[in-house]
Amino acid sequence: NAGVMQNPRHLVRRRGQEARLRCSPMKGHSHVYWYRQLPEEGLKFMVYLQKENIIDESGMPKERFSAEFPKEGPSILRIQQVVRGDSAAYFCASSPLVGQTTEKNIQYFGAGTRLSVL
Amino acid sequence: GENVEQHPSTLSVQEGDSAVIKCTYSDSASNYFPWYKQELGKRPQLIIDIRSNVGEKKDQRIAVTLNKTAKHFSLHITETQPEDSAVYFCAASPSGGYQKVTFGTGTKLQVIP
Repeated sequence: NAGVMQNPRHLVRRRGQEARLRCSPMKGHSHVYWYRQLPEEGLKFMVYLQKENIIDESGMPKERFSAEFPKEGPSILRIQQVVRGDSAAYFCASSPLVGQTTEKNIQYFGAGTRLSVL
Repeated sequence: GENVEQHPSTLSVQEGDSAVIKCTYSDSASNYFPWYKQELGKRPQLIIDIRSNVGEKKDQRIAVTLNKTAKHFSLHITETQPEDSAVYFCAASPSGGYQKVTFGTGTKLQVIP
């Protein structure tokens, strides 16, 4: 099992450009979570998705940010018209199907994408 | 929604001493409490967790305690080593169909050789 895969590991964008961050969950996992981590700070929840559904996006900024988890392919976090304040590490985590009694609530993290906005 | 508070924000201990990190939560529906360790520049990794049907769990030098009545839980690291230096996050999660995990703000632990 390759674990949660995120790419790219590092992404540099100029102000106004778009950033697309990808996350492939662990095999068999259908729940994906995105978190943002500013330097020296904690993990801030952004969005929780299941395949083709956004379950909770209460942590997402109202503008410029969007997320999807299509039936096929990785989950995508998209940031349009990036600004310097978007510079952070973005972590994706996945967890197994609801209903599996073992490891039900464990989240496995990817290595993160470090976004730098120039 | 759930609110998790974590203290202290930084902690320095001498190698071999014990370290204790404390967390409180607000939602009585939470019944799963994982702890994650994040080394500098790395991903958070689960180190130990506890469910609400037990009050204490131990794994070698690491132990967690849970007081559901008071809504607080703690991480205890004994015989600390330099490789324990990292940021530690507590978290709380309810059971059921929605598995949002709420994280504490983190504790930066420094073990001084």
